[in-house]
Amino acid sequence: AQSVTQPDIHITVSEGASLELRCNYSYGATPYLFWYVQSPGQGLQLLLKYFSGDTLVQGIKGFEAEFKRSQSSFNLRKPSVHWSDAAEYFCAVGGYSSASKIIFGSGTRLSIRP
Amino acid sequence: EADIYQTPRYLVIGTGKKITLECSQTMGHDKMYWYQQDPGMELHLIHYSYGVNSTEKGDLSSESTVSRIRTEHFPLTLESARPSHTSQYLCASMRLGDTQYFGPGTRLTVL
Repeated sequence: AQSVTQPDIHITVSEGASLELRCNYSYGATPYLFWYVQSPGQGLQLLLKYFSGDTLVQGIKGFEAEFKRSQSSFNLRKPSVHWSDAAEYFCAVGGYSSASKIIFGSGTRLSIRP
Repeated sequence: EADIYQTPRYLVIGTGKKITLECSQTMGHDKMYWYQQDPGMELHLIHYSYGVNSTEKGDLSSESTVSRIRTEHFPLTLESARPSHTSQYLCASMRLGDTQYFGPGTRLTVL
């Protein structure tokens, strides 16, 4: 079955500290992987995506993610968080097929401690 | 930056009213989606479309209906709104092999 698991419902980190949000997926074919960010009352904004090639992907706002096929993981990282990073983060997986849907994880809420 | 629009952004309406949530994209994407999302919760796919005259129900059962008469337009209709329909509705579009782009959402409150 295709699924995405974000094991952390809520994470709080101090401003300036490093961040890692976990994402594990289950997908039968070669996965396309995404991280989105959502501010309260807003739509989702794409942070980064992995389709193929280099397994370390750089995104917007200083975020990066690493695809580890052996661990079925696509964790999101940032070396130093800012208060404006407080938001909900969604990991998603999809495939290259006209019938493919993108499957979203349940989200991780990030709070920033001043 | 993707060009996908949703109107209205906020809607408060009484029980029993018929409502249509609008979603338009100017990117020529074939695939479009509607998600329902309660505050702080995950997204639930309720409808999607592969192209003009194509509509499919999503993973979460919904009393809403959709239509796709034009590529750029994917409206969602509730014939008779109920308080249980109170939620945020997100529209997205996608080109094959690319990522989904999301609109800003419509926050619906049914009294």
